[in-house]
Amino acid sequence: EAGVAQSPRYKIIEKRQSVAFWCNPISGHATLYWYQQILGQGPKLLIQFQNNGVVDDSQLPKDRFSAERLKGVDSTLKIQPAKLEDSAVYLCASTLVGRGAFFGQGTRLTVV
Amino acid sequence: RKEVEQDPGPFNVPEGATVAFNCTYSNSASQSFFWYRQDCRKEPKLLMSVYSSGNEDGRFTAQLNRASQYISLLIRDSKLSDSATYLCAVTDLDSSYKLIFGSGTRLLVRP
Repeated sequence: EAGVAQSPRYKIIEKRQSVAFWCNPISGHATLYWYQQILGQGPKLLIQFQNNGVVDDSQLPKDRFSAERLKGVDSTLKIQPAKLEDSAVYLCASTLVGRGAFFGQGTRLTVV
Repeated sequence: RKEVEQDPGPFNVPEGATVAFNCTYSNSASQSFFWYRQDCRKEPKLLMSVYSSGNEDGRFTAQLNRASQYISLLIRDSKLSDSATYLCAVTDLDSSYKLIFGSGTRLLVRP
C-alpha cells in the first residue's frame, strides 16, 4: 500500500515570497492533517480536513497560510507571504477516523 | 497548560536497560492515544496505539491511566537502535479527533 506522498522535499525561498506544498494521502483515508514542526519541538497541528471539509484550523495563521483539499483527496498548503519564522518542516498525515495517523516524509522549508 | 506534555529528556541509558516515559494530557474527554517514534530528520512513525487495557508489542509496553490522565511507554532491553525521539499523541471526540502531539522525549541508548 502506498504511503502519504508529499512534495517538494526541500524548498528555499526568500521572505515575502510565496510557496505551496502538496500532499496525496493514503487511499481511502478521509482525515488529512497538516502539521508544522520546528526543530526540537513536536508537530503543531495547522489544519485538519475530513474529506474536503475543514474540521479544525484554529492554529492556522490565516493572514498568510491557506489550505484546501479539493475532491477530498489531494491537499495543498500555501504560505503567502513567507516570514523567517515559517522555516520548519511541514508534515502531512492521513488516517481513518479516530485511528493513528501516518505521515509523509515532509517538506523542509527554509526562509532566508 | 499544554494539552499534551512530555518530559523532553534526554534519557541516557545503557544497552539492555529498561526505560519508561510518561505523557500527560489535559482533556479528560480524550479518546484515543498513540506513541510515535521520530528519528532525526525523519517523519514521525506510528509505534503503537494505547488501549484502556494496555498493550504490548515485543519489548514495548504502553499503558493508559485515565484517572490520572497520563499514558506511559516502557521499553525493555534497550537497543542502540531505540535511540530516537518518542512522541505521544492524543485525540478526542469533542474536537472531531483532532490529533495533538506532545513535544517528544529524546532517548539515547549508549553501548
